[in-house]
Amino acid sequence: GAVVSQHPSWVICKSGTSVKIECRSLDFQATTMFWYRQFPKQSLMLMATSNEGSKATYEQGVEKDKFLINHASLTLSTLTVTSAHPEDSSFYICSARVTGSLYDTEAFFGQGTRLTVV
Amino acid sequence: QKEVEQNSGPLSVPEGAIASLNCTYSDRGSQSFFWYRQYSGKSPELIMFIYSNGDKEDGRFTAQLNKASQYVSLLIRDSQPSDSATYLCAVKGYSSASKIIFGSGTRLSIRP
Repeated sequence: GAVVSQHPSWVICKSGTSVKIECRSLDFQATTMFWYRQFPKQSLMLMATSNEGSKATYEQGVEKDKFLINHASLTLSTLTVTSAHPEDSSFYICSARVTGSLYDTEAFFGQGTRLTVV
Repeated sequence: QKEVEQNSGPLSVPEGAIASLNCTYSDRGSQSFFWYRQYSGKSPELIMFIYSNGDKEDGRFTAQLNKASQYVSLLIRDSQPSDSATYLCAVKGYSSASKIIFGSGTRLSIRP
């Protein structure tokens, strides 16, 4: 299957600082990438849809000024958590949709990033 | 009503038995259905996808889809302890721009 690489796998930061998470599609071009957040024992919650070369589409309740998304190329999307607070501590996961495939629907996930804000 | 519903479990199944995981969805226009496995602390891993009514088999896994009943299931034959994980059901609409909607997951525990 397609490979999506996410970096870093875990990060600890101080409250008030910013953290950048990278999501790369390694062997395919992903015009669309997705960013999810998952709290313990809960399902994935879609935060935003990232489209290459255009502004991200944020889900209701997600602050676009706090979670900055940049999708500058067909293989890289970044999520920056600005002015992080302890309540932002969560598991952040990106996924990429394989465009141009027969069904153009499968989404493959990165390894996830465990963010802890202290 | 949630868009994609799953029993949270935990579902406990003896090793070697068949584990049956169920999922219902609310949008009749849904066209694509996925099962993901997620181990604790890890990201989801795609196991199966199904688009047409009926059964789709892949090794020990069988996905079953009934669009009339808006129901999709995953059967795991000869369950192994390594199958213990949370299984996420996901549904996508017809448009390529449609989002994939995830259920809350069912925790499966295979007891030796």
